[in-house]
Formats: sequence, structure tokens, C-alpha cells
Amino acid sequence: AQTVTQSQPEMSVQEAETVTLSCTYDTSESDYYLFWYKQPPSRQMILVIRQEAYKQQNATENRFSVNFQKAAKSFSLKISDSQLGDAAMYFCAYEWGGSYIPTFGRGTSLIVHP
Amino acid sequence: EAGVAQSPRYKIIEKRQSVAFWCNPISGHATLYWYQQILGQGPKLLIQFQNNGVVDDSQLPKDRFSAERLKGVDSTLKIQPAKLEDSAVYLCASSLQHSSYNEQFFGPGTRLTVL
Repeated sequence: AQTVTQSQPEMSVQEAETVTLSCTYDTSESDYYLFWYKQPPSRQMILVIRQEAYKQQNATENRFSVNFQKAAKSFSLKISDSQLGDAAMYFCAYEWGGSYIPTFGRGTSLIVHP
Repeated sequence: EAGVAQSPRYKIIEKRQSVAFWCNPISGHATLYWYQQILGQGPKLLIQFQNNGVVDDSQLPKDRFSAERLKGVDSTLKIQPAKLEDSAVYLCASSLQHSSYNEQFFGPGTRLTVL
């Protein structure tokens, strides 16, 4: 079974600084998708960024970028120029292209200090 | 564009009682998901619908949980009878189609407390 591990229960960063959230996963599949979701306190979960495993280029969305290391099965999220609104739970998720069943990690709570 | 709607937002029940949750997906979204999110954990998929058909319900505890999506739009998730370990947030999400490529849009969730 696929597993997703987020080893950092909590991370903190100063406003305007950069922070990296870690995620590793276990799979024997070659065709899959990886996601980072953001869940602000008492608000809806939203998709932050998505990476297709067959793409070698790391995905980027404005201040959010990933470091996808397929051989190491690592998928970290880098947030640049952190803002107070970035404070939230961040979930890493894996989805095999043939199942459409997402598997989520336990999440990392990001605290942003002004 | 209206988002995914869920009701109620909060529910407190005694164990062995029944409870139902309702979800209205984004208009035009064919795929609907129900997740269970226990405190301190990530969401776990319970069931996935494509229109009004079940795509996957392998993680749904079918002895007590049931779900339906009549007419391929709204959906209800029922628990009967509830157990203490069912205390969680139940999230509904929808996407345009049944594909890993399509973004899932989540509702605000229903927080269930079983006493």
C-alpha cells in the first residue's frame, strides 16, 4: 500500500523568509501524481501545487515551488517570501494514475511569525 | 462560482444514534468524494462517485456507513449506528471529471462529535 510521510508535525518561519516542508512517499508505481494542499484554520482545503511524476521539471506556482526527487521518493514544498496568510496545515498527497484514490500525509502545521 | 456546500457544519450525537451529512458539489462537477479526517491526521477517502455511480468505496465501513448520490448531483453520507471512533470532520469534495489531473474542490466539512 502507498504511504505518505510528513516528518515535520510543525514548522515555523519569519514573515518574508523561506521555509521548506518535507514529504516522502512509498510506491512501486511509475505513473502517479503528487499534491500539496493547504488547510487554513476553519477554512476549506485548497490545492497549492501539483506534480505529475512523468515530468522532470519541478512545478512552480508563484511563491510556491516543489523539489521532486523521483528516485528518492521525495516531494518537498518551498514557500518563498512567507506571508501571514500562509499559516495553515499543509498536507502532502499521492495519487496513482490508475486508481484516483488519494493518500494524504498527516500534515505539517506552518506558523508564520510577523 | 459557488463552492462545495455542506451541512450541517457541526453535529453532536450519542453513540449508537444515526446521523446524516449532506453535500452539494460545484455545478457541473461529475465526481464527488467523501473523506473522513480524524483529528491530527490527513483526510481518508471513504467513497468516490462519478455522476450517480460509485467508483470506489473500498475504504467505507459498509456495516455502518452508507452514501448515495441521487441524480448525480447532491450526496448524503449516513452513519448508523455511530461509534465513538467516528468522531471526525467529514469533508466533501468535487471535481470536473474522474481524473487525477482534475483539481478537487473541498467543502468546509461537517465536524461530528460522538459522545
